[in-house]
Amino acid sequence: SQQGEEDPQALSIQEGENATMNCSYKTSINNLQWYRQNSGRGLVHLILIRSNEREKHSGRLRVTLDTSKKSSSLLITASRAADTASYFCATDRVGGGGNKLTFGTGTQLKVEL
Amino acid sequence: NAGVTQTPKFQVLKTGQSMTLQCAQDMNHNSMYWYRQDPGMGLRLIYYSASEGTTDKGEVPNGYNVSRLNKREFSLRLESAAPSQTSVYFCASSDGIHSRGYTFGSGTRLTVV
Repeated sequence: SQQGEEDPQALSIQEGENATMNCSYKTSINNLQWYRQNSGRGLVHLILIRSNEREKHSGRLRVTLDTSKKSSSLLITASRAADTASYFCATDRVGGGGNKLTFGTGTQLKVEL
Repeated sequence: NAGVTQTPKFQVLKTGQSMTLQCAQDMNHNSMYWYRQDPGMGLRLIYYSASEGTTDKGEVPNGYNVSRLNKREFSLRLESAAPSQTSVYFCASSDGIHSRGYTFGSGTRLTVV
């Protein structure tokens, strides 16, 4: 079963606007990661937030984590057309072993000029 | 460029045929993974290898076998392909340092007719 569920499934915004994607998960985690996938390509790691962290920044990306609600959000500020992609959250579950990640179903982001 | 290389990129099989998907990484990573990606399902873990010489089942292992040939190579075999195995297959590797996440290959698009 999927550990993570992203919301919304699809998001369309104008260039320059901010994009927010949410991820909910079910079990306790060691860390949560966000990945980007361009059409027809493999996934690319964006950012990781540990279970004892609440917020993390990387360039135009801001990730928050609320372990009490078992949820995370990814904010992309000042979006660009090149940000058009699918975004996935992935969780490293406590007791999962083998550094395994469980991926959510993804949010398709379209940034229009 | 350093990374994860998957072959082939595309394959069409007839039901009942067998094939092996190849994956190699040149980053000296200990852990390697095979995922499948289906529309609306996100990525699901088939098998993984936490270190050379070990392999373990993931979420959806039925119909597949794997071989961790050496530290670089991790192959996925379909012994008797079924239409339900039509999917995009991704290989990934990790050095176990969580902040760097997984490195993914570009995928193999498999169609079973």
